[in-house]
Amino acid sequence: EDQVTQSPEALRLQEGESSSLNCSYTVSGLRGLFWYRQDPGKGPEFLFTLYSAGEEKEKERLKATLTKKESFLHITAPKPEDSATYLCAVLNVRETSGSRLTFGEGTQLTVNP
Amino acid sequence: EPEVTQTPSHQVTQMGQEVILRCVPISNHLYFYWYRQILGQKVEFLVSFYNNEISEKSEIFDDQFSVERPDGSNFTLKIRSTKLEDSAMYFCASLRQALSFHNEQFFGPGTRLTVL
Repeated sequence: EDQVTQSPEALRLQEGESSSLNCSYTVSGLRGLFWYRQDPGKGPEFLFTLYSAGEEKEKERLKATLTKKESFLHITAPKPEDSATYLCAVLNVRETSGSRLTFGEGTQLTVNP
Repeated sequence: EPEVTQTPSHQVTQMGQEVILRCVPISNHLYFYWYRQILGQKVEFLVSFYNNEISEKSEIFDDQFSVERPDGSNFTLKIRSTKLEDSAMYFCASLRQALSFHNEQFFGPGTRLTVL
């Protein structure tokens, strides 16, 4: 069974204070690892897809990296508008037409001005 | 920018009643999904749908649930006899093409279902 564990559950940062969120995963074969942002009462908003160990993706203040067992979402000099819950999800290679995503619990990030 | 839309944004119903949640996926997408998120819990897969049939369903998706694509644009989730534990946010998602280099599923804003 695929498992995704995110840490920490919650993180409070001061504006400009860089940090990292962790996503550990256990899958029989990784087809892709996805990061989403979720604002309160809203649907997940796609951020990144990572496919293989060593891959990195960047978008504004966010950078996602991937190893064989975990992924990190690095936030550089965060701003209050980066406050949200960040979700990690995996897609198993055995998922063919179904493409079911398995999500972690998320990390709730709060950036104080 | 194309987006997934869902209606209604909030549905309140009595236990035992039927509800239909509606979604309009992104127009050139071929794969459609329903997920749910109970308050404070993780997003959980319910069902995937492709070529007018269910591709995969989770153990949550029992006989009380059904999905349909009644026309070329709408994708619906029906719960026949709602239970208190069905209270959750229900998200529709769509994917352009599976098994391609791009596997990103795009999510709608959700329907909050409250069962009293």
